[in-house]
Amino acid sequence: QVQLVQSGAEVKKPGASVKISCKASGYTFTPHYIHWLRQAPGQGLEWMGLCNPRGDTTTYAQKFRGRVAMTRDTSTNTVYMEVTSLTSEDTAVYYCAREFSGTYYFDSWGQGTLVTVSS
Amino acid sequence: EIVLTQSPGTLSLSPGERATLSCRASQTVNSKFLVWYQQKPGQAPRLLIYGASSRATGISDRFSGSGSGTDFTLTINRLEPEDFAVYYCQQYDNSFLYTFGQGTRLEIK
Repeated sequence: QVQLVQSGAEVKKPGASVKISCKASGYTFTPHYIHWLRQAPGQGLEWMGLCNPRGDTTTYAQKFRGRVAMTRDTSTNTVYMEVTSLTSEDTAVYYCAREFSGTYYFDSWGQGTLVTVSS
Repeated sequence: EIVLTQSPGTLSLSPGERATLSCRASQTVNSKFLVWYQQKPGQAPRLLIYGASSRATGISDRFSGSGSGTDFTLTINRLEPEDFAVYYCQQYDNSFLYTFGQGTRLEIK
């Protein structure tokens, strides 16, 4: 079965960076996009961007361009997201999610990674 | 950017009743790209409906989606205790944007 397993919770200081991983299993990795989304405490879902594992290409939401980088390692079926220049407003649960090729929705999700930004 | 507005914000119903959740878009949405998710506390969202009206694998037929253009609806018949959760609509548009509504909380009355 499709599984996305994310790395554990992080606590960071303002101005720092965080790198989260998402390891995929149970399906052929390269044809399907991996997206990153986040959810601030008590808030809704926000799309951050996607990584195309086949060509290591990325697309970011305008809000996050220049501050977010998504990469992949096809040898371990893992996608990474690094967020730089963290502020308290980046405190959220970060999710990776799979988009089955060309469907434009998220059919499988990771368990979420809580990132807390606090001085 | 297309804005999705969900209503009501909170819906209080009893088990066995029918829930009707609305998702209204600021511009026309291609029905192919309108999706619904369910999220329970402490869990990741779960795909319910894609293409406005197609149920995802394993989703009960008590869940149905409908609508077109700017108005979409998620209907849940015969509410069961496990249905009480937050529901989000989501759309994709050609500007390569994936946007979500703010959610409807379905709570037990």
